[in-house]
Amino acid sequence: QQQVKQSPQSLIVQKGGIPIINCAYENTAFDYFPWYQQFPGKGPALLIAIRPDVSEKKEGRFTISFNKSAKQFSLHIMDSQPGDSATYFCAASTGSGAGSYQLTFGKGTKLSVIP
Amino acid sequence: GAGVSQSPRYKVAKRGQDVALRCDPISGHVSLFWYQQALGQGPEFLTYFQNEAQLDKSGLPSDRFFAERPEGSVSTLKIQRTQQEDSAVYLCASSQMSVRANYGYTFGSGTRLTVV
Repeated sequence: QQQVKQSPQSLIVQKGGIPIINCAYENTAFDYFPWYQQFPGKGPALLIAIRPDVSEKKEGRFTISFNKSAKQFSLHIMDSQPGDSATYFCAASTGSGAGSYQLTFGKGTKLSVIP
Repeated sequence: GAGVSQSPRYKVAKRGQDVALRCDPISGHVSLFWYQQALGQGPEFLTYFQNEAQLDKSGLPSDRFFAERPEGSVSTLKIQRTQQEDSAVYLCASSQMSVRANYGYTFGSGTRLTVV
């Protein structure tokens, strides 16, 4: 059972465009939603994270939008650059109890930003 | 060290061979995690250590997989009698805090295991 569904699988945008990656979750116990960026041959690196008590969080050119009722969240990258070309993963974890330290990842979105 | 170090970076094993993958976490980090990342997929949780104690091994796919962290620092993931389906990148991550993924992991670059 896939608990975090991510789309699209791949995305190509022009430099300066605003790619949007979407994730949906099923487990209502999830209360922490990070996004990770992964370059080829490297491990995932934490980009930005949000909790369900806010609907939006911005850090630099990266914005997370969160819709608790729809159980969906998305990543927007403003003024995208070729250096943003990477695979992006959404993830989720629960707040307490067994497994609260585990991250459940989506399948990833490969983003290509064309100069 | 400055980051999480994993070795070897690449490992090719013949089916049925045993392998050992090493992880050196960031110095002083209490928590250590192993994840498995199949090609084109997101990482999947394998096991969690708090210091030397293995608190969760629910993600280990079979009894051929074994992990240890005897002194609460370096960890080894061992896979016995490797099978082709074991081919994946094995990621190690560490965290300063004792619990909760939301304090942020630091991942290593992984070990790419190919079973032929």
